[in-house]
Amino acid sequence: GAVVSQHPSWVICKSGTSVKIECRSLDFQATTMFWYRQFPKQSLMLMATSNEGSKATYEQGVEKDKFLINHASLTLSTLTVTSAHPEDSSFYICSASRVHGDFNLAKNIQYFGAGTRLSVL
Amino acid sequence: AQKVTQAQTEISVVEKEDVTLDCVYETRDTTYYLFWYKQPPSGELVFLIRRNSFDEQNEISGRYSWNFQKSTSSFNFTITASQVVDSAVYFCAVYSGNTGKLIFGQGTTLQVKP
Repeated sequence: GAVVSQHPSWVICKSGTSVKIECRSLDFQATTMFWYRQFPKQSLMLMATSNEGSKATYEQGVEKDKFLINHASLTLSTLTVTSAHPEDSSFYICSASRVHGDFNLAKNIQYFGAGTRLSVL
Repeated sequence: AQKVTQAQTEISVVEKEDVTLDCVYETRDTTYYLFWYKQPPSGELVFLIRRNSFDEQNEISGRYSWNFQKSTSSFNFTITASQVVDSAVYFCAVYSGNTGKLIFGQGTTLQVKP
């Protein structure tokens, strides 16, 4: 259980176009989904947190108009990179969490998708 | 603020050797959770373990073991009798219930040579 599917796994696009990345929890309902960005040989940087049915919370320095996040259902969140430029080229990873055990202790485990490698030409 | 330090950037061992990956964390929360994830070349992060701050018992799972020392804010990960398939980047992370965020260390690249 706890499988997260991310699609596409790899995308190349021209500068100025928009790219949509999907993140689905296949066998559980995700109360919260997270979007991370990872540069080569670096750690994961949290971009935003999204809860189903509400607006995403973006981390400082992340442009919300450039990285549009929609979390329309408990199993699907999408990240749209609008007007992509070469500097947006990166590895984007989503994760989904559900509550385990005592909710008050927020025992969340994040299950990660396989990531999307975006190359903007 | 939370912070995770993985001082070892890269480690190279020969198959069957034991290897320990270090992790030191900082947090102001009294309740927090520590994680280890594995990222193979394919890119997907694989969940390995979660430990809450109240449980300092060491844990063993097959060839994997974890040593949690709250006094030194460390959560080290040992692979016994390493195998080539263990080659990956390993991330230590701390989760804060107050912020709801998972903060990752820089990762340690483990290369296991045959």
